Amino acid sequence: GQQVMQIPQYQHVQEGEDFTTYCNSSTTLSNIQWYKQRPGGHPVFLIQLVKSGEVKKQKRLTFQFGEAKKNSSLHITATQTTDVGTYFCAGLTSGTYKYIFGTGTRLKVLA
Amino acid sequence: ETGVTQTPRHLVMGMTNKKSLKCEQHLGHNAMYWYKQSAKKPLELMFVYSLEERVENNSVPSRFSPECPNSSHLFLHLHTLQPEDSALYLCASSQDPGEEDGYTFGSGTRLTVV
Repeated sequence: GQQVMQIPQYQHVQEGEDFTTYCNSSTTLSNIQWYKQRPGGHPVFLIQLVKSGEVKKQKRLTFQFGEAKKNSSLHITATQTTDVGTYFCAGLTSGTYKYIFGTGTRLKVLA
Repeated sequence: ETGVTQTPRHLVMGMTNKKSLKCEQHLGHNAMYWYKQSAKKPLELMFVYSLEERVENNSVPSRFSPECPNSSHLFLHLHTLQPEDSALYLCASSQDPGEEDGYTFGSGTRLTVV
């Protein structure tokens, strides 16, 4: 079945350093969403990417959808302690209505 | 508050008990979902309801039984659970099954089966 993998599984960074998580799907996606889950919290929707090669920015966060629409990345510039949490991607395959969530990347920011 | 309310927040139940999880959304969404989140595993989709009809049952054991009486409410009835069913159960809603504005998740019910 369709799988969505994320790397790395864990990442510890010093505050101020950059961070990137990568999302890879075994199948071509029609769109991809990103979520953030704070420790002890629930996933919160961040953004959706639809077009091949699309790049979107939210302040220090940059989201990219691959040209082949099988991978995506989230880059955080100059991390802050408030960025701590687990970042999930969720991909939608064309012809289905079900988003498949990735395995998540847990980010820890050291002050 | 996210617009999706789940109760109870925490639940401890024995393997012979019967309990129900409740989810309520006031966002006008027409699709609702149950997800299971276990430690070190990705979010697992359990059930999808669209316009109150179940459109997805992801090979979930029959000891989990969903109910969607209307587009604002979703229940998950639990009976004779196993310790490995201990997890965070998340409810989510969206405008369509494949909608474009993301899912809105509730705060979850932390279930412990003893």
